Amino acid sequence: NAGVMQNPRHLVRRRGQEARLRCSPMKGHSHVYWYRQLPEEGLKFMVYLQKENIIDESGMPKERFSAEFPKEGPSILRIQQVVRGDSAAYFCASSSPDRGRYGYTFGSGTRLTVV
Amino acid sequence: KQEVTQIPAALSVPEGENLVLNCSFTDSAIYNLQWFRQDPGKGLTSLLLIQSSQREQTSGRLNASLDKSSGRSTLYIAASQPGDSATYLCAVSTGQAGTALIFGKGTTLSVSS
Repeated sequence: NAGVMQNPRHLVRRRGQEARLRCSPMKGHSHVYWYRQLPEEGLKFMVYLQKENIIDESGMPKERFSAEFPKEGPSILRIQQVVRGDSAAYFCASSSPDRGRYGYTFGSGTRLTVV
Repeated sequence: KQEVTQIPAALSVPEGENLVLNCSFTDSAIYNLQWFRQDPGKGLTSLLLIQSSQREQTSGRLNASLDKSSGRSTLYIAASQPGDSATYLCAVSTGQAGTALIFGKGTTLSVSS
């Protein structure tokens, strides 16, 4: 069981470019969550998805950020026209439907640097 | 609005010492509480999950307690080792429908040999 797989591990983008972060959930998990960790701050919830559905996007910035979890393939967090303030570690977590009982499993994260 | 606070922010102890990390939350209506470990530049590793109906959970040298009514949890580490050096994060879940984990800022532990 490979756990939650995120790639790339590190991503460097120039201001104005697009960043695409990928997350494959743990085997058997159908729920995906994205979190952002800004320097010197705690992890903040961004979005919760199930296959082909966004369930809760209350933590997503209103502009430039989008997420999807297609029927086939990994979940994608997309950041358009990146700015320096987007530099952060982005973590993906997955869970089974019974997350209350079994909790969440996190990936190793993608470190985005905007130059 | 749920807020999670972890005290202390940093802690340095000599090897072999027993220690306690504290976590408090403002809204007692939680579904569960999870302790994680984060090594520098790495992801999060789940340590212990406590359901709201439980009082404590144990795994090896780790013991986590939960007092939901007072909004507190503690993580007890026995006989600390240099390999325990990491940042420890506490997170609460506000229920099946409330899907977001609310994290504290963590306690950074350094164990010297």
